[in-house]
Amino acid sequence: GAGVSQSPSNKVTEKGKDVELRCDPISGHTALYWYRQRLGQGLEFLIYFQGNSAPDKSGLPSDRFSAERTGESVSTLTIQRTQQEDSAVYLCASSLDGALNTEAFFGQGTRLTVV
Amino acid sequence: GDSVTQMEGPVTLSEEAFLTINCTYTATGYPSLFWYVQYPGEGLQLLLKATKADDKGSNKGFEATYRKETTSFHLEKGSVQVSDSAVYFCALSDPNFGNEKLTFGTGTRLTIIP
Repeated sequence: GAGVSQSPSNKVTEKGKDVELRCDPISGHTALYWYRQRLGQGLEFLIYFQGNSAPDKSGLPSDRFSAERTGESVSTLTIQRTQQEDSAVYLCASSLDGALNTEAFFGQGTRLTVV
Repeated sequence: GDSVTQMEGPVTLSEEAFLTINCTYTATGYPSLFWYVQYPGEGLQLLLKATKADDKGSNKGFEATYRKETTSFHLEKGSVQVSDSAVYFCALSDPNFGNEKLTFGTGTRLTIIP
């Protein structure tokens, strides 16, 4: 597609339920990032995929969070047993090769609300 | 660890005013520095970048100079327009961490009134 696509754009879920967020990166981009933005805060790094290398999961806040990526295409971020503090906008970005002199392109995000 | 501190908003200016949004950083190595912008209803997009000390990034009339001595990367524009209303994020990447994570500031919401 023309840009990074995320779905759903909005998700309201009950505390304790699992949610799955999807990211379609720009075709040909080998690097994919997930970030989280809580209200009034900066962007918090979650996870980074680059090609076939092992992902950098150092930003995942707990073992309730996991992410998968199929080859160099779609990624899903899964949050199990959601908590109210998981409420945030989850942003996905992709870049051509992951070197940060290369521009990262962001999706419009998924706004997650846990009630 | 790495961190980015930027001017808190919101910032409201009149059209044609001079803009400065301050950004300072902490990093262990020699990071690359970025400004990203998020226009209403759109995703974040790169506005400008600088990869080494004294470099000046520029785009769409915006400029920022990489100042190693003051660890700063302030965003400036001489004459703002209504269309510049957006949220601006300062960010860095630190190659000493051996990865490509972007560390972001909290964002500054800018509103330009006619």
